[in-house]
Amino acid sequence: ETGVTQTPRHLVMGMTNKKSLKCEQHLGHNAMYWYKQSAKKPLELMFVYNFKEQTENNSVPSRFSPECPNSSHLFLHLHTLQPEDSALYLCASSSDGISNQPQHFGDGTRLSIL
Amino acid sequence: LAKTTQPISMDSYEGQEVNITCSHNNIATNDYITWYQQFPSQGPRFIIQGYKTKVTNEVASLFIPADRKSSTLSLPRVSLSDTAVYYCLVGDLNNDMRFGAGTRLTVKP
Repeated sequence: ETGVTQTPRHLVMGMTNKKSLKCEQHLGHNAMYWYKQSAKKPLELMFVYNFKEQTENNSVPSRFSPECPNSSHLFLHLHTLQPEDSALYLCASSSDGISNQPQHFGDGTRLSIL
Repeated sequence: LAKTTQPISMDSYEGQEVNITCSHNNIATNDYITWYQQFPSQGPRFIIQGYKTKVTNEVASLFIPADRKSSTLSLPRVSLSDTAVYYCLVGDLNNDMRFGAGTRLTVKP
């Protein structure tokens, strides 16, 4: 149990569907992150939120839309995805994004695009 | 952003000590060194973090020489369950830390 919970664990969707990934942390942290991990590739940082404000967007396509309503919850809204978007999507949190405190990761959502 | 270089893979046997070295020639004064472990279909897990000299916790030790241009993660007496990918990250802010390809450690019986 890492204190970071992601749902669903698995998701299969067509390219025209709209779905959302959810992340919740119970650690009292103020920074949250979305990462993408494709097969045999390093983790790619997608978005960073500090105190509910987005502080980083690493040139992620607009078909991925993050939302952070409070410091404990993070969503990733998906629409019109492409087959190359199939990957493991990981959420993480840390005490804040402006220090080097370790990140705590969830176990991810395995996304498959048909 | 300080870049890191690690071996792509390593093999070991149960009960042996494993040392994984990470090179970070461009490390900055304020940068820390952080190691994570990742099992298949799970998120990375924090192992250890250090700035200089030696850090030890219940699962690993981290050795950092005086010039800080490299670091070595030491896993004492590994078991089959230590088979995983190990990542070395360098940075002073979480926002600036990037995961590389990591080192895939395989522990054999």
